[in-house]
Amino acid sequence: QVQLVQSGAEVKKPGASVKVSCKASGYIFTTYGITWVRQAPGQGLEWMGWISAYNGVTHYAQNLQGRVTMTTDTSTSTVYMDLRSLTSDDTAMYYCARAWELDFWGQGTLVTV
Amino acid sequence: EIVMTQPPGTLSVSPGERATLSCRASQTISNNLAWYQQKPGQAPRLLIYGASTRATGIPARFSGSGSGTEFTLTISSLQSEDFAVYYCQQYNNWPRTFGQGTKVEIK
Repeated sequence: QVQLVQSGAEVKKPGASVKVSCKASGYIFTTYGITWVRQAPGQGLEWMGWISAYNGVTHYAQNLQGRVTMTTDTSTSTVYMDLRSLTSDDTAMYYCARAWELDFWGQGTLVTV
Repeated sequence: EIVMTQPPGTLSVSPGERATLSCRASQTISNNLAWYQQKPGQAPRLLIYGASTRATGIPARFSGSGSGTEFTLTISSLQSEDFAVYYCQQYNNWPRTFGQGTKVEIK
């Protein structure tokens, strides 16, 4: 069965960086891209970006350009999301999800700044 | 970027009644729209993609319609487990964008 398993919760100081991982299983990894979505406490869903697991092509949200980097490791079927220069506004639950339609979701990673 | 609007913010419905949720795109997105359900403390769950195709395992009481800029999610007879927040998302253009969500609460 398809599973996306994310790394554990993180607590960071302002100005630091965080790297969240998302390990995929149950399907051919390079067939689907991975989207990252975040949700601040009590708020709605915010689309952060997408990476192709086939060739590493990325698309990022305009408000995160320059601070976010998404990468893949096909040898371990893992996608990484690196967010730099953290502020309190980055405190949120971070989710990875498969494909454009977001048909499967990770369990979420709480990042507290 | 495309702005997705979901009026109203909250919908009060009695169990067993029909709920109709709206989603409007600021420009045409063909049928590249998905609906998600989110319950407190849980990750969102895909309900509908391609504007009208139910995802695997989604009950038939959920249906989606629309194309272009106007979309609707209908829950034909609300069950207790359906009270949640519902989001639409367009995946026609970069960057992808979500609506702000509609909370369906018990009337």
